[in-house]
This record gives sequence, C-alpha cells and structure tokens, in this order.
Amino acid sequence: AQSVAQPEDQVNVAEGNPLTVKCTYSVSGNPYLFWYVQYPNRGLQFLLKYITGDNLVKGSYGFEAEFNKSQTSFHLKKPSALVSDSALYFCAVSIYGQNFVFGPGTRLSVLP
Amino acid sequence: DTAVSQTPKYLVTQMGNDKSIKCEQNLGHDTMYWYKQDSKKFLKIMFSYNNKELIINETVPNRFSPKSPDKAHLNLHINSLELGDSAVYFCASTPTGRGMDEQYFGPGTRLTVT
Repeated sequence: AQSVAQPEDQVNVAEGNPLTVKCTYSVSGNPYLFWYVQYPNRGLQFLLKYITGDNLVKGSYGFEAEFNKSQTSFHLKKPSALVSDSALYFCAVSIYGQNFVFGPGTRLSVLP
Repeated sequence: DTAVSQTPKYLVTQMGNDKSIKCEQNLGHDTMYWYKQDSKKFLKIMFSYNNKELIINETVPNRFSPKSPDKAHLNLHINSLELGDSAVYFCASTPTGRGMDEQYFGPGTRLTVT
C-alpha cells in the first residue's frame, strides 16, 4: 500500500531564507509524486510533480523539489521564502492506475 | 470561469438529515474525486469516478452515495448525517485516472452537523 510521511507538522523560516518541507513515501512500483499548497479556506493548488526523467523538478511560485529514489524522498524547496508562502503544504503519491495518497500536511510559517 | 466548482460552500444541518453537495468541472476531464478533510486537515479520498463509472470506493459508510449524471458532474449525497460527518469536502478532477495527472480541486464545502 502507498503511504506518505511529512515528518514536520510545522516549519518556521525567516523571510528571505531558504525553505525545505520534507516528504518521504512508500510505494510498490514507480511513484508519481506531487506537491500541493492550501491557503486558508481554499482548495488545494498544484505546485509541481515528478513523473519521470530529471530528478529536480521546478514548479509554480519559485518552488522546486528533488526526487531521491534511494532515500524515497521528495522534499520541497525554495531558495528565498516570502511571507506569502505561509500556508499548508501537502505531498502526495500515486502509482499508475491507482489513486492518490496524501501526506498529513506541513504548515509553513514565513516570519517577516 | 471556475474550473471546478462546488455548491454549497457552507452547509449547516442537524443530525439525521439528508443532504447533497454538487460538483461540476468545465475542464473536460474524465476522472473526478471526492475527498474529506477533517479538523486536523488530514485529506482522505472517498470516491473516484472515471467517465461516470465508479472506480474506487474507499472505506466510506454506505450513507455516502456518489452520483455522476455525466462526466462533468459528480454529486455527493449523504443520508442520516452524523456529528462525525462534519468536515470540509473537496471535489477534484484529473484528465485521466492513470495517476500521473495533477488534480484540480474545488473550493470545498464546509459541512457542519449539529
């Protein structure tokens, strides 16, 4: 069965500093990996995905993530955090023909 | 031109009542989903429909019944509402059901059962 872990409930970072939101996964097969962001009282918005190919994927709003097969990780990163990045971030995994499994979410707070 | 829309946005009702939530997508996608997000923000899939056909029905009480009149609509009907049904329900869609597409989420319906 597929599973996703986001080991940090909360990440705090100062504005302008780099940020990392961690995600590890477990699947039996080749994973498809996704990051979504949720702002208060809104639906989830897609940020980026890894399907195949280059391990470093770039997405919306300056975010990027690196797929590491040996560590079964897909950490979300941004070189310079903005206060407006403060939100709830979800990692999700699926495999071909299967449904998505979401992690528990990580709340990111960017402090001015 | 909202891609995935849900109605109503808020729903307050009493235990034992029956209610429906509607979802529509104008993206031409084949696959639609219902998710439940609880008070701790955990997101769990409930149903998955591909071109009007039920694909996945996770461990959801049979008080919950999805209905897809056409591939652009997926409604959720809930019978005999219970306090534990209080949550935010999200509809989502993807072009296919192959698992490699990003999902487009609706704005959510906040259900409160009193």
